[in-house]
Amino acid sequence: DAKTTQPNSMESNEEEPVHLPCNHSTISGTDYIHWYRQLPSQGPEYVIHGLTSNVNNRMASLAIAEDRKSSTLILHRATLRDAAVYYCIQHNYGQNFVFGPGTRLSVLP
Amino acid sequence: DTEVTQTPKHLVMGMTNKKSLKCEQHMGHRAMYWYKQKAKKPPELMFVYSYEKLSINESVPSRFSPECPNSSLLNLHLHALQPEDSALYLCASSQEHEGTELFFGSGTQLSVL
Repeated sequence: DAKTTQPNSMESNEEEPVHLPCNHSTISGTDYIHWYRQLPSQGPEYVIHGLTSNVNNRMASLAIAEDRKSSTLILHRATLRDAAVYYCIQHNYGQNFVFGPGTRLSVLP
Repeated sequence: DTEVTQTPKHLVMGMTNKKSLKCEQHMGHRAMYWYKQKAKKPPELMFVYSYEKLSINESVPSRFSPECPNSSLLNLHLHALQPEDSALYLCASSQEHEGTELFFGSGTQLSVL
């Protein structure tokens, strides 16, 4: 079973920042937080992952709470192409990736 | 080349047919996966191959038979499927089974009549 909880859906306006929350209250010290997204008619794609510190890459930023029980995926400027289902996954080295229901993000023009 | 290629993209089959789904990657990854995804649901893990050996079978019915002929190829043989097996079948690969990033193909949309 998935160990994270996310809102079912969120809406954003184009060119505005989007903050996608994720709760992972059972996280252990060696669990990473991974984010994948699935665009329509595609397989999931990797977005970002982190352990304790905030992380940035060309796609997004990941802000992890100090107690690590929650995190936020930040898309700095949403585009129509960012409309997708976003999956937050609590993952430990050696385990399989278990996908929860995710958050369906709609981006309005 | 960071692609995972799946063929065919769409497949319609009857309950008595035998068909195969194919997956290929040329990233040198040593772990390959099959996931099943029903509409509006998250992907569910079916099988994991690590170094061409089946390491995980998530209690999948025997009408699904995976095969890993070499480190770049993964097949899923289908026989006597049921209509409820209609779904998107996704192949993925990673550097190692314990790898941190999965690379997914676009999937095969399967319809069983």
